[in-house]
This record gives sequence, structure tokens and C-alpha cells, in this order.
Amino acid sequence: EPEVTQTPSHQVTQMGQEVILRCVPISNHLYFYWYRQILGQKVEFLVSFYNNEISEKSEIFDDQFSVERPDGSNFTLKIRSTKLEDSAMYFCASSEVSVDSGNTIYFGEGSWLTVV
Amino acid sequence: LAKTTQPISMDSYEGQEVNITCSHNNIATNDYITWYQQFPSQGPRFIIQGYKTKVTNEVASLFIPADRKSSTLSLPRVSLSDTAVYYCLVGDRDDKIIFGKGTRLHILP
Repeated sequence: EPEVTQTPSHQVTQMGQEVILRCVPISNHLYFYWYRQILGQKVEFLVSFYNNEISEKSEIFDDQFSVERPDGSNFTLKIRSTKLEDSAMYFCASSEVSVDSGNTIYFGEGSWLTVV
Repeated sequence: LAKTTQPISMDSYEGQEVNITCSHNNIATNDYITWYQQFPSQGPRFIIQGYKTKVTNEVASLFIPADRKSSTLSLPRVSLSDTAVYYCLVGDRDDKIIFGKGTRLHILP
């Protein structure tokens, strides 16, 4: 079964440093997403991306964050000047545009970011 | 996006059938009902999706009454490995997916 893959699985970074989280979505999918989950809390939507541009973003996704699809296969989330409160599991997801199947999206295993 | 309400937690025993009901009184005509499962430290995993009546796959069944204002996820003969958080989501293909707090299902031996 095709899957969304994410790297790294775990990263520790110092406060103020930049972090790039990488994702390879399922190959025929056209919509891409980033979510995060702070330990013990619910899964929060960050951003959706379609046709090489952001289609929607949440209040969490401020100027500190950016996304990019640099080469047609990878989808990256960059966090500039990380803060302690950015420590969370970050999930990448993708979906295939399909009129018949609603909005089923497929998640990766996550990248656990620890800011110290 | 239609708001969903589901129990915060449930306990059950191995071998039992578990039914988790989700209320979505404001569901729109184009909305689908989708259930996800999340194990600790893993991403949410799609379980099942439906629009009306009943849908069954190898993992679960989804029962949707005619008014579509609620839905019930049914897990047959659960095992310890079914302990997870289960999320009910309602929306159509143009909506971003927003997760609620889900239902923490705890399966006991």
C-alpha cells in the first residue's frame, strides 16, 4: 500500500534555530497538508497546499512557517527561529482529488520535533 | 464545517463489539462522514467513510441513519490492539480536515 513518508522521525534543535521537515506524499496525490500534535493534545491543522500554492492555512501557520514543494516529489515544512512551544509531532498528509470519495487524507508517521 | 460530538472515552473488553456514536446535527448535503484511528505517536489512519446507509470494510462498519445527523462506527470483536483514539469527521472534498478531541477507546483484557 502506498504511504506518505516523513523525515526525520525525530529532531532535537536549539531554540532559535531553523528546522526543515521533509515529506514525500503518495505519488498520484495532488493535495498536501501539514498538521501538528502537541503531546497529549489534539491534531491541529496547519496548512494545505495545492497546485504549488497554499490553499488554506490556520492561525498557527504564521510568518514563522513556510511550505515548499521544491522538486515535484518532496513537500517541506520550514520553521524559522524555533520556539519551545513548537515542540510537537508534525504530520504530513496527502489526498487524491476525487469527487466520489470525499476528503480522505493519508498521514505519514510524523516527525517529532523537540526544541530545547 | 459541521460540528461533531462524540464521547470522550470508552472502555470495552477483548472480543466485544464496540460502537462509537458521533452526532453531527448540522451536516450538509455534500458532506461525507469519515472515521480515523490514531495510535500513540503515530499519524491518524483512515478507517472508513460513508455518505448514507451502511458501509462495511475489513476493519469496521459505519451505520448512518436516513437523517444523517449521527453515525456509528462499529468495531467487531475488538482486541487489545484496537486501543486508540477514534475521530469522527464531517466535511466535503473542499474542506480542510479539522480533528476534534476524538474518543479514547481502551480495550481491557
